[in-house]
Amino acid sequence: ETGVTQSPTHLIKTRGQQVTLRCSSQSGHNTVSWYQQALGQGPQFIFQYYREEENGRGNFPPRFSGLQFPNYSSELNVNALELDDSALYLCASSPPGLAGTGELFFGEGSRLTVL
Amino acid sequence: QKEVEQDPGPLSVPEGAIVSLNCTYSNSAFQYFMWYRQYSRKGPELLMYTYSSGNKEDGRFTAQVDKSSKYISLFIRDSQPSDSATYLCAMMDSNYQLIWGAGTKLIIKP
Repeated sequence: ETGVTQSPTHLIKTRGQQVTLRCSSQSGHNTVSWYQQALGQGPQFIFQYYREEENGRGNFPPRFSGLQFPNYSSELNVNALELDDSALYLCASSPPGLAGTGELFFGEGSRLTVL
Repeated sequence: QKEVEQDPGPLSVPEGAIVSLNCTYSNSAFQYFMWYRQYSRKGPELLMYTYSSGNKEDGRFTAQVDKSSKYISLFIRDSQPSDSATYLCAMMDSNYQLIWGAGTKLIIKP
């Protein structure tokens, strides 16, 4: 069984640029959520996708946007990058029926550095 | 004040010791409580999941929830060097969003 995979694993951008991060959910999982984890902090919820629609969003500005595709894979897009966007971006998937319980399966993350 | 408070540590104990990790929270509406383990440069991994108050045991791990005190704990018996990691507590709010603690770094010395 393939777990959650994310790409790229590391990337460096400059302030003002745009970035796209990708996530393939675990087989059979139809809900995908994205988290931002700053160094030494717990993850912060960005948003969640179910059936290709955003169905929950944390306290992040509109320049953070996402997509979910029919195969349940997902993208996170961040426009107009700021220095504070430097963090580990985590994708998590949930199987049907468990998204509301907090049982998440995480990928290894994409580490973004903004210079 | 953060909704979920967790001592960042590091907590260093000798191999074989019993480890106690804790979180306090302020939102009485939390119903689902989780402990995740995160190794360096990896994503979090679900360890224990508890609904409402009570205890849950899984091998060397025991999770406790005391809703009256807004306090949750994770106990690790017979700790091993491979248990060295950051332990994150997480709780689900009424909007089905997970609220996380900052994590406690645990070091088990051989």
